[in-house]
Amino acid sequence: AQTVTQSQPEMSVQEAETVTLSCTYDTSESDYYLFWYKQPPSRQMILVIRQEAYKQQNATENRFSVNFQKAAKSFSLKISDSQLGDAAMYFCAYATTGTASKLTFGTGTRLQVTL
Amino acid sequence: DVKVTQSSRYLVKRTGEKVFLECVQDMDHENMFWYRQDPGLGLRLIYFSYDVKMKEKGDIPEGYSVSREKKERFSLILESASTNQTSMYLCASSQSDRELSNQPQHFGDGTRLSIL
Repeated sequence: AQTVTQSQPEMSVQEAETVTLSCTYDTSESDYYLFWYKQPPSRQMILVIRQEAYKQQNATENRFSVNFQKAAKSFSLKISDSQLGDAAMYFCAYATTGTASKLTFGTGTRLQVTL
Repeated sequence: DVKVTQSSRYLVKRTGEKVFLECVQDMDHENMFWYRQDPGLGLRLIYFSYDVKMKEKGDIPEGYSVSREKKERFSLILESASTNQTSMYLCASSQSDRELSNQPQHFGDGTRLSIL
């Protein structure tokens, strides 16, 4: 069974600074997908960024980028120029390929952004 | 934009009651999912469905059942609610994967269920 581990329950970053959230996973599959989801307080879970395992190039979405290390099974999220609106729970997730890609989530990292 | 609507944001029920949580999506998605979210445990998959009347168990199906009579609606049923089912419940939907292109899941706002 696949597992996803987020070892940082809480992180804090100052506004305009950069922060990196860690994620490791365990799988025997060669084709899969990795995701970072954001859940603001009392608000809907939304997709931040995703990475296909067969792509070597790291995914980037504006201020959000990942460091995907397939051999090490590591998938960290870097947030640059942090903003107050980035404060949220961040979940790392893994999905296999298939008809209905089920997500396996990590336990989450709560990110605080301070002035 | 995809809209996934859960019928209640907050719900309070008593032990032993039969509880229905409803989820509706408006984007004709084939796949629908029910998760529960607990502090320190992340999200765990209860059941999912990849077509009308089709259902498959997730990681923690015990004590739950589901119904998908129409494509847009996926119901989670607690047959006899217990206090350990107090949790946040999240519904999600997605299109079926196209070849190697994974289709992301879209989530509802969640239902915070308390069982007294």
